[in-house]
Amino acid sequence: DGGITQSPKYLFRKEGQNVTLSCEQNLNHDAMYWYRQDPGQGLRLIYYSQIVNDFQKGDIAEGYSVSREKKESFPLTVTSAQKNPTAFYLCASSISGTTNEKLFFGSGTQLSVL
Amino acid sequence: GESVGLHLPTLSVQEGDNSIINCAYSNSASDYFIWYKQESGKGPQFIIDIRSNMDKRQGQRVTVLLNKTVKHLSLQIAATQPGDSAVYFCAESPNSSYKLIFGSGTRLLVRP
Repeated sequence: DGGITQSPKYLFRKEGQNVTLSCEQNLNHDAMYWYRQDPGQGLRLIYYSQIVNDFQKGDIAEGYSVSREKKESFPLTVTSAQKNPTAFYLCASSISGTTNEKLFFGSGTQLSVL
Repeated sequence: GESVGLHLPTLSVQEGDNSIINCAYSNSASDYFIWYKQESGKGPQFIIDIRSNMDKRQGQRVTVLLNKTVKHLSLQIAATQPGDSAVYFCAESPNSSYKLIFGSGTRLLVRP
């Protein structure tokens, strides 16, 4: 089955620790995205990538980093600089990352601080 | 950024009734709109989309209406079922961009 796989489902971070969230897609989509969702709120864009080896900051990129070394993979690192990391993180992809495209989402990773 | 709160607006409907979920969007230059359904602990699932050159689009049991004059989008669900219980988000794409801006969502509760 084609889709987007996020792992782990749940992740705990200690203070001062960097953690990496995995996102893999087998849809052959060019574009991938990371969103953050806080309880009772909509989704906010952290980073996006329209092509391998290129990515752009979204609206709330501070404290996060990404890489796009392969078309299928777009891992997100939550660094110690992110002071309020507890949230539900969603990875998404779209065919080309150009205009008027729907996003396909993974099942999310819940990150909590110990 | 958007004004958000911890408590989502909630729509409670009887099973079998029709549901109407409303969304006010912010950018008059937005030309593409999407509705997503999100069940607890899961990622959003695409329901239906509409471009600004249309004012109505129908899918299976769902209809999206777009009123550009008042910047209003609605999702109608016919014969609402218990499986429709979820949070529904509208999203807009301004200026033919890649970017989707999400609303804060509406929770739909279906009473048996």
